[in-house]
Amino acid sequence: NAGVTQTPKFQVLKTGQSMTLQCAQDMNHNSMYWYRQDPGMGLRLIYYSASEGTTDKGEVPNGYNVSRLNKREFSLRLESAAPSQTSVYFCASSLLYEQYFGPGTRLTVT
Amino acid sequence: AQTVTQSQPEMSVQEAETVTLSCTYDTSENNYYLFWYKQPPSRQMILVIRQEAYKQQNATENRFSVNFQKAAKSFSLKISDSQLGDTAMYFCAFMKPRGAQKLVFGQGTRLTINP
Repeated sequence: NAGVTQTPKFQVLKTGQSMTLQCAQDMNHNSMYWYRQDPGMGLRLIYYSASEGTTDKGEVPNGYNVSRLNKREFSLRLESAAPSQTSVYFCASSLLYEQYFGPGTRLTVT
Repeated sequence: AQTVTQSQPEMSVQEAETVTLSCTYDTSENNYYLFWYKQPPSRQMILVIRQEAYKQQNATENRFSVNFQKAAKSFSLKISDSQLGDTAMYFCAFMKPRGAQKLVFGQGTRLTINP
């Protein structure tokens, strides 16, 4: 039982490049989330998916898109990366009132 | 919108001491959940403790306990008999039980346990 997995663990992009962060969970959870963590700040919600087939914006959605491919997988896409998107990205899934987090992806945009 | 504030950016104590981390929040909701998460240097987010607002009894988990003051909108974490492995960032978080159950996090407190 792997829980929540994220790939890649580290990534360096040049400004303007695109990439997709992958997230998968094997706990049969309905809800999934993408957060970003910047220095000196807590995690902030980018997008979430309350159930398969639905997605909604969180607090900081600009510059990102998401896809809930199936119940297990929830991907985050940066279409044209900017230095302001340098951050650590966490995926989470939840059942009832507890969220389980992946190990995070450290993304640097130069 | 809900906000969560942690006013102590950093704290440092000696091993075996007791330490209390502060958290205040702002909400107009009557029912909600509050959490403390631990983030060690490995970066993994680990749930430490959860409190339901409708429960008056403070939650405890082994050496970790909370002081939940609903009227004051305060939710502090007490770590007893602190250990070197408690060194981490600690985040307070708020969740409304309805809808998508999104977490709103505070800025975090960096706790260092010294030998």
